[in-house]
Amino acid sequence: DAGVIQSPRHEVTEMGQEVTLRCKPISGHNSLFWYRQTMMRGLELLIYFNNNVPIDDSGMPEDRFSAKMPNASFSTLKIQPSEPRDSAVYFCASSRFPRGAPYQETQYFGPGTRLLVL
Amino acid sequence: KNEVEQSPQNLTAQEGEFITINCSYSVGISALHWLQQHPGGGIVSLFMLSSGKKKHGRLIATINIQEKHSSLHITASHPRDSAVYICAASWSSGDKLTFGTGTRLAVRP
Repeated sequence: DAGVIQSPRHEVTEMGQEVTLRCKPISGHNSLFWYRQTMMRGLELLIYFNNNVPIDDSGMPEDRFSAKMPNASFSTLKIQPSEPRDSAVYFCASSRFPRGAPYQETQYFGPGTRLLVL
Repeated sequence: KNEVEQSPQNLTAQEGEFITINCSYSVGISALHWLQQHPGGGIVSLFMLSSGKKKHGRLIATINIQEKHSSLHITASHPRDSAVYICAASWSSGDKLTFGTGTRLAVRP
């Protein structure tokens, strides 16, 4: 089985530009998580979807960040406009969610997108 | 405040040694996760547990609910075990995961 797929793997852009990160979860998984990892703050949850619906977006830093999940096999995280402080590694993870307890299921992580905003 | 603390921050071992990484949390949890992040950056979920012990190959994870403490053990360590090991906890079924800062392990041949 293919794991969680993320694209691009690396992105370098200039401040003010729009950045779109993409994620394809594992087939059959109905929960999807976007995380950000920086040296200063470690891993942080940005947003979590269940059955394509955003459930918890309290970690989204500000209005410049938006995430969508138009169907069960695709999600995007968009930053517009990007700023240098957005530079980080962005991970997407997915899991099955049969029992109503999203953080009590094993999460499978994608390889991450390394973003550098100049 | 729900907190997760890991120790040590850095650990160097010789190949073959038994390794223990510790994780403490502030109050009772509903689930604790152990993750492994490879030098290339990829993250793998190792264990998810809420009580007792789990074993997978040379890796063993234990949790002591009364002491609010979990350990990750690696037996017969190997250089390929070199990675950052991260514990994360949730305090109720709807709570997001809170991550520890990670333990950077280097196993020398």
